[in-house]
Amino acid sequence: IAGITQAPTSQILAAGRRMTLRCTQDMRHNAMYWYRQDLGLGLRLIHYSNTAGTTGKGEVPDGYSVSRANTDDFPLTLASAVPSQTSVYFCASSLEPTGELFFGEGSRLTVL
Amino acid sequence: SQKIEQNSEALNIQEGKTATLTCNYTNYSPAYLQWYRQDPGRGPVFLLLIRENEKEKRKERLKVTFDTTLKQSLFHITASQPADSATYLCALINQAGTALIFGKGTTLSVSS
Repeated sequence: IAGITQAPTSQILAAGRRMTLRCTQDMRHNAMYWYRQDLGLGLRLIHYSNTAGTTGKGEVPDGYSVSRANTDDFPLTLASAVPSQTSVYFCASSLEPTGELFFGEGSRLTVL
Repeated sequence: SQKIEQNSEALNIQEGKTATLTCNYTNYSPAYLQWYRQDPGRGPVFLLLIRENEKEKRKERLKVTFDTTLKQSLFHITASQPADSATYLCALINQAGTALIFGKGTTLSVSS
């Protein structure tokens, strides 16, 4: 596999449940990002990591957490899902922070 | 706070014409700007990066300009084709310099 892999592709989740969206890249990129995309609001940055072991908050971090234990993986966790977190989530990576982004195909999450 | 505006949500043009998309930004002076293409149900794909000291950049039928005085970038597709139909996103580095933030995008439809 070359690029970014996200899982699951799609998920329906009951409100209050915990959910982790997985993201793996095999390009040895230093930086990784999570965005959510909503109709009319565009892509919004949730969290980012400029290198393994570090993370930072983006525009809309509340209700989400991330970890970056190694270079390849950057999971996004919703501790207690709420309906407003219904969205399409995109993971991306770049060789250097703020460089050209490579995106995964997205994870469509519906919280009922 | 910094803002990125893509001035039209949708643009409809005829095949063979030049499509021009606009990206304006405020409260910010980015070192470079990027353009992405997104097809329905897919992740965005990088197209071009233009730096503040470059007035214009070309790639095949694509041309991007960057006017730091007007705080504006123009994205042109010449001799447009139906296959160019997609949503086009512009992106800038956030003020903290840690990640890219995106405009809401312009959806281009090219009819034959």
